[in-house]
Amino acid sequence: SQTIHQWPATLVQPVGSPLSLECTVEGTSNPNLYWYRQAAGRGLQLLFYSVGIGQISSEVPQNLSASRPQDRQFILSSKKLLLSDSGFYLCAWRPPRTSSFEQYFGPGTRLTVT
Amino acid sequence: GQNIDQPTEMTATEGAIVQINCTYQTSGFNGLFWYQQHAGEAPTFLSYNVLDGLEEKGRFSSFLSRSKGYSYLLLKELQMKDSASYLCAVDRGSTLGRLYFGRGTQLTVWP
Repeated sequence: SQTIHQWPATLVQPVGSPLSLECTVEGTSNPNLYWYRQAAGRGLQLLFYSVGIGQISSEVPQNLSASRPQDRQFILSSKKLLLSDSGFYLCAWRPPRTSSFEQYFGPGTRLTVT
Repeated sequence: GQNIDQPTEMTATEGAIVQINCTYQTSGFNGLFWYQQHAGEAPTFLSYNVLDGLEEKGRFSSFLSRSKGYSYLLLKELQMKDSASYLCAVDRGSTLGRLYFGRGTQLTVWP
């Protein structure tokens, strides 16, 4: 069976500090991977998606970047955090073939920028 | 732009039936999803509709009308554990799986 991991679970960082959030998927190959953010009082917002190693597409301009160094690893980064980067960050995966469109979410990382 | 609307809050009593509506206007459509999210947790998949009509899964059913840009999630025999936020999301198409979410409907089930 497939599982998705995210770490850390919670993080408190000062403004201007760097960020690295990691997501890994087990039990599948060549998944589509996604980063979402859920800010207080707002819906889930798609930040980045990836259909393969080194292939990253950004949905919204922002202070963040993403990388996919391995097939089942997806990393979200920032060089300098802003207060507005606070939120619940969720990684999701989907099987590569279009026979299944469901996305499955990881447990999330709750980031507080102070 | 993309627009997905759903009510912010709803309340119901245990054992009742509740219908959560979602309307959408998006450029591209490859299906509509419903997810359940308990406070502080990740969303979990409930249903997917790509064709018009009703899909039933146990106590939960989901309906889609593509011509009206409308969907609803129907929850029957409500239980206390159904208290959660229900998220409507539209897949904008292609094979990329880009989901666009509404703000969610917070459902509270009272005993």
